Amino acid sequence: ETGVTQSPTHLIKTRGQQVTLRCSSQSGHNTVSWYQQALGQGPQFIFQYYREEENGRGNFPPRFSGLQFPNYSSELNVNALELDDSALYLCASSRGQGASTEAFFGQGTRLTVV
Amino acid sequence: GENVEQHPSTLSVQEGDSAVIKCTYSDSASNYFPWYKQELGKRPQLIIDIRSNVGEKKDQRIAVTLNKTAKHFSLHITETQPEDSAVYFCAAMFSGGYNKLIFGAGTRLAVHP
Repeated sequence: ETGVTQSPTHLIKTRGQQVTLRCSSQSGHNTVSWYQQALGQGPQFIFQYYREEENGRGNFPPRFSGLQFPNYSSELNVNALELDDSALYLCASSRGQGASTEAFFGQGTRLTVV
Repeated sequence: GENVEQHPSTLSVQEGDSAVIKCTYSDSASNYFPWYKQELGKRPQLIIDIRSNVGEKKDQRIAVTLNKTAKHFSLHITETQPEDSAVYFCAAMFSGGYNKLIFGAGTRLAVHP
């Protein structure tokens, strides 16, 4: 196990609703990244938080937002849910911002939008 | 733009055979290349990685090679076992001031007893 934990593990929401997903990073890791993994595809980068600030973002609309807390845990918020938001949401924690830093994934939250 | 291509998408081998998965990347500044194994319903698990100052790395039955000039890297699994069956993802780290992994589309490996 990686020490990265996510909650909840599964979630069903209705289109138009809002959702908050949570991630606790591995001890000693100060960087959290969020990824969306659609069925049958590789993970896609949503954004990254380092020292409580967003410092990088992928091609996702502003209704995807996040937070990082002083203990380096993080939240992913998605507003105005769409059916295409149904996916496995993964967070990954890493130590620092080095260009060759190992990233360890949590078990993911399976979000289903109906 | 940033892109990682992975081949093949599916791979079926007999137990004991070798399996090879190949990836190419577009960002010439990338210098970290991890491989993840993902079993059904589970998290991606880091199985091996390679940095650009190394051409080859081995860990028991798993090896990874990197050709920076050609922007290719490959995963080699020898003496495959049924428990090696999973989806394997290659990734390249984007080096634009923050750590973003660009993943390939994955290879579904099936090892038949």
